[in-house]
Amino acid sequence: DAGITQSPRYKITETGRQVTLMCHQTWSHSYMFWYRQDLGHGLRLIYYSAAADITDKGEVPDGYVVSRSKTENFPLTLESATRSQTSVYFCASSEQAGGLLGGYTFGSGTRLTVV
Amino acid sequence: EDQVTQSPEALRLQEGESSSLNCSYTVSGLRGLFWYRQDPGKGPEFLFTLYSAGEEKEKERLKATLTKKESFLHITAPKPEDSATYLCAVRGGSQGNLIFGKGTKLSVKP
Repeated sequence: DAGITQSPRYKITETGRQVTLMCHQTWSHSYMFWYRQDLGHGLRLIYYSAAADITDKGEVPDGYVVSRSKTENFPLTLESATRSQTSVYFCASSEQAGGLLGGYTFGSGTRLTVV
Repeated sequence: EDQVTQSPEALRLQEGESSSLNCSYTVSGLRGLFWYRQDPGKGPEFLFTLYSAGEEKEKERLKATLTKKESFLHITAPKPEDSATYLCAVRGGSQGNLIFGKGTKLSVKP
């Protein structure tokens, strides 16, 4: 199916564990993004990628690692999860920088709970 | 610093009661203002992009307008299915990524 898919949909992990959130898009969009959404903060950019093997930090990158070996995949890894990383994580993609033509297309999100 | 502020935080309307949501922004050189709709448990869904003051876009009961300092999302004769959180974002920062406001949660009662 065409679109942007995030997995898992829900995840509970323990403090200190490593966890990876997956994101896959079928449009071959150049740009991909990871946001987190928290009450009182709205959507905040964690990392983004302009193309395969090109990634850059967003507003809140600490504690996160990304990679992009293939255009269609953009996994987000929490190296040592902390309770402050409990959040809903959204992956997005765009054909152009800043979503000029049609905005960003978002996945359905991963709700991560760190206990 | 680029900033987006949305008001009100929450809005309750009766079906058919028209109203407006506000998005005020501070950005050095606007390169696009975006409106999204977000339903509970889902990702944001793109609605509109506005680029210059005076520009307007419409989609069904929604109409977005833009001035040099703010944007309005007008909802005409809303229906319960219009209930959602509406997000505003501007393209800003040195890399031109989208910066989001905290959203307005709209509830439309039948």
